[in-house]
Amino acid sequence: DGGITQSPKYLFRKEGQNVTLSCEQNLNHDAMYWYRQDPGQGLRLIYYSQIVNDFQKGDIAEGYSVSREKKESFPLTVTSAQKNPTAFYLCASSILNTGELFFGEGSRLTVL
Amino acid sequence: AQKVTQAQTEISVVEKEDVTLDCVYETRDTTYYLFWYKQPPSGELVFLIRRNSFDEQNEISGRYSWNFQKSTSSFNFTITASQVVDSAVYFCALSEPNSNTGNQFYFGTGTSLTVIP
Repeated sequence: DGGITQSPKYLFRKEGQNVTLSCEQNLNHDAMYWYRQDPGQGLRLIYYSQIVNDFQKGDIAEGYSVSREKKESFPLTVTSAQKNPTAFYLCASSILNTGELFFGEGSRLTVL
Repeated sequence: AQKVTQAQTEISVVEKEDVTLDCVYETRDTTYYLFWYKQPPSGELVFLIRRNSFDEQNEISGRYSWNFQKSTSSFNFTITASQVVDSAVYFCALSEPNSNTGNQFYFGTGTSLTVIP
């Protein structure tokens, strides 16, 4: 079935460690997005990409990095520079310009 | 400034009651899209509906209905005869297509709906 796969679903990290969250889609969508959600909050955009080998910063890009080497993959690295990384991370994809976002199941990161 | 406002943070209703979730948006674009998503406790956001700015026709899908009014910049969502399975956080979103920056999505802060059996 077509969809978006995020892994891992749960992740624990020690302070000072980098961690990479995986996002893969088989919907043939051009655009992909990473959002962060904190308890009781809405979604905040971290990074997005419209085409392979290109991506733009969102509202809260500091402390995060991404790559888009393949159309179907958009991994997010949470670096040690991110001061408060404990959150729920959602990956999404869409058809350019007119489409709705399709979301993965999310990855819950906890920093110990 | 917030582009999408969901003033209701939490709503509780008794099962079988009707409930309306409010959404007010702000945009200067003439072409835009509005969405509603449901986020159950599992966390994944589930797409419910998309409307474009040129189509103000209200839509009904089973117990769900949506009222889009450009005059008041609102896109409200009504659940008729609510059920416990409707308990979730509901997000309203706006997208403004842009040929340079792509599709920008703006989300409200969500309304947490609890349906009490």
